[in-house]
Amino acid sequence: DGGITQSPKYLFRKEGQNVTLSCEQNLNHDAMYWYRQDPGQGLRLIYYSQIVNDFQKGDIAEGYSVSREKKESFPLTVTSAQKNPTAFYLCASSWGRDQPQHFGDGTRLSIL
Amino acid sequence: GESVGLHLPTLSVQEGDNSIINCAYSNSASDYFIWYKQESGKGPQFIIDIRSNMDKRQGQRVTVLLNKTVKHLSLQIAATQPGDSAVYFCAENNAGNMLTFGGGTRLMVKP
Repeated sequence: DGGITQSPKYLFRKEGQNVTLSCEQNLNHDAMYWYRQDPGQGLRLIYYSQIVNDFQKGDIAEGYSVSREKKESFPLTVTSAQKNPTAFYLCASSWGRDQPQHFGDGTRLSIL
Repeated sequence: GESVGLHLPTLSVQEGDNSIINCAYSNSASDYFIWYKQESGKGPQFIIDIRSNMDKRQGQRVTVLLNKTVKHLSLQIAATQPGDSAVYFCAENNAGNMLTFGGGTRLMVKP
């Protein structure tokens, strides 16, 4: 089936540790996105990529990094510089502007 | 499952009734709007979209209305079912490929 796969579903981070969240899509979409969701809030954009080897910061990029070496993959690294990383992280992809974004089922990150 | 929002506005309806979920958007230049449904512990699921050259669009049991004059978007669900219980988000596209999401509304369907 076509779709977006995020892994792992749950992730725990120790203080000072970097962790990487995986996002893979087989929809052949050009654009991919990472969002953060906190309780009581909507989704906030962390990073997005419109094409391979190119990405832009979203509204809350500090403490995060991404790469886009392949069209189907857009991993997100939560670095030790992100002081409040506990959240639900969602990856999405789309054909581009004016097309709906399709989401994975998220990764919940917690601090040990 | 995990809660996606602890302090969201809540709409409670009786099974079989129609539901109307409202959203005020921020940018008069926005030209594309989407409604998403999110169940606990899952990612948002696309429901329906509408472009700014339309004021109404219908899907299966759902209708989206767009009022550009007052920057208002609504989602109507006909004959609401228990499976419709979820958090509903509106999103607007006002620049490039970025969507801006609203805070969400929790729909609770009473049997």
